[in-house]
Amino acid sequence: EVQLVESGGGLIQPGGSLRLSCAASGFTVSSNYMSWVRQAPGKGLEWVSVIYSGGSTYYADSVKGRFTISRDNSKNTLYLQMNSLRAEDTAVYYCVIVRSSGWLEYFQHWGQGTLVTVSS
Amino acid sequence: SSELTQDPAVSVALGQTVRITCQGDSLRSYYASWYQQKPGQAPVLVIYGKNNRPSGIPDRFSGSSSGNTASLTITGAQAEDEADYYCNSRDSSGNHRVFGTGTKVTVL
Repeated sequence: EVQLVESGGGLIQPGGSLRLSCAASGFTVSSNYMSWVRQAPGKGLEWVSVIYSGGSTYYADSVKGRFTISRDNSKNTLYLQMNSLRAEDTAVYYCVIVRSSGWLEYFQHWGQGTLVTVSS
Repeated sequence: SSELTQDPAVSVALGQTVRITCQGDSLRSYYASWYQQKPGQAPVLVIYGKNNRPSGIPDRFSGSSSGNTASLTITGAQAEDEADYYCNSRDSSGNHRVFGTGTKVTVL
């Protein structure tokens, strides 16, 4: 059974750093596209970042240069390193398995999310 | 990057049919996928590709697409279908992804 368990969220001051983890089971992280999606309180879904199976990474303009997506193959875990955090980064962050083939792509499995609150 | 636009809210009588639309230039190149989200829960994939449903999704959910518009149709809406629905696709660059603005579906 596929499972995604996010951790690492919490309260952090503006300008601070936080690393989110997504422990995966039932599949191999490095063989899949993996993404982070966030949702600010009362707002819609916002795509944050993706890492391809080949290792290429891409970011939303709103986080580019501040966030870094990575994975540890030995731990089968996905990460999101978040630096220079701002109040507008406050959100629930979801780890997601992305199935992709040509012009067909979908976010197949979602974790339960971890809440990040940026506030002084 | 590009945007995907959805109507903010729609309502449907119990047992009737409702269609939710998603508009964006990237939909001319990429299929949309659709997600249902209930309060306090993670999103759930309901439709992907031309018109594919994951295992466990009722067949009252269907998808279609024409030009720059993708649609999600619920035929015979049930009380449990009341939720927020989001579309998603790659953007025109192909390497970024974008979610629609979301549609709140109310079942009367």
